[in-house]
Amino acid sequence: ELKVEQNPLFLSMQEGKNYTIYCNYSTTSDRLYWYRQDPGKSLESLFVLLSNGAVKQEGRLMASLDTKARLSTLHITAAVHDLSATYFCAVDTGNQFYFGTGTSLTVIP
Amino acid sequence: DSGVTQTPKHLITATGQRVTLRCSPRSGDLSVYWYQQSLDQGLQFLIQYYNGEERAKGNILERFSAQQFPDLHSELNLSSLELGDSALYFCASQRGAGSGNTIYFGEGSWLTVV
Repeated sequence: ELKVEQNPLFLSMQEGKNYTIYCNYSTTSDRLYWYRQDPGKSLESLFVLLSNGAVKQEGRLMASLDTKARLSTLHITAAVHDLSATYFCAVDTGNQFYFGTGTSLTVIP
Repeated sequence: DSGVTQTPKHLITATGQRVTLRCSPRSGDLSVYWYQQSLDQGLQFLIQYYNGEERAKGNILERFSAQQFPDLHSELNLSSLELGDSALYFCASQRGAGSGNTIYFGEGSWLTVV
């Protein structure tokens, strides 16, 4: 069965700092998605990465995909409190979306 | 607003009962996915439909069933409910299937089994 692993599971960081969330997956796929979820809310699509080497940026978040390493990263630059949420990566195999365990991010003032 | 509509938003029911959750996908989306999210199991894929046909099945219990109707809305039926079925149930929709498009989530249906 496909495994999608995120690390860290929990991340507490200070405002203004940089950090990276990692998403490793166990099968060949060139479709990787990132979502954000606020507590008790729905999942919001952040990035769609559809090829090896794809890089997308939106504000303080940047996502990249290395299909050969089966790795995607979500980099946070100069974190602000509004980024506090749970972030999920998801791998699309063409049949299913497999979600990672999620990374709960708390940005501390 | 993702355009995916789920009802009801909250539901409290007793063990042994049966409930139906409803989902209307975004206009033009043919695929519907159902997910269960609980604290201990994370986000679990249940089942996917594409244009009325079952396309993929995940960790869906035999007590659960789903269907997608000709107008593309979908229903998830949960029967013989147990305390452990308490969770947030999400529906998501996608333009095609395996198309490289992201899936859009509804607001979810909170189910509490007492």
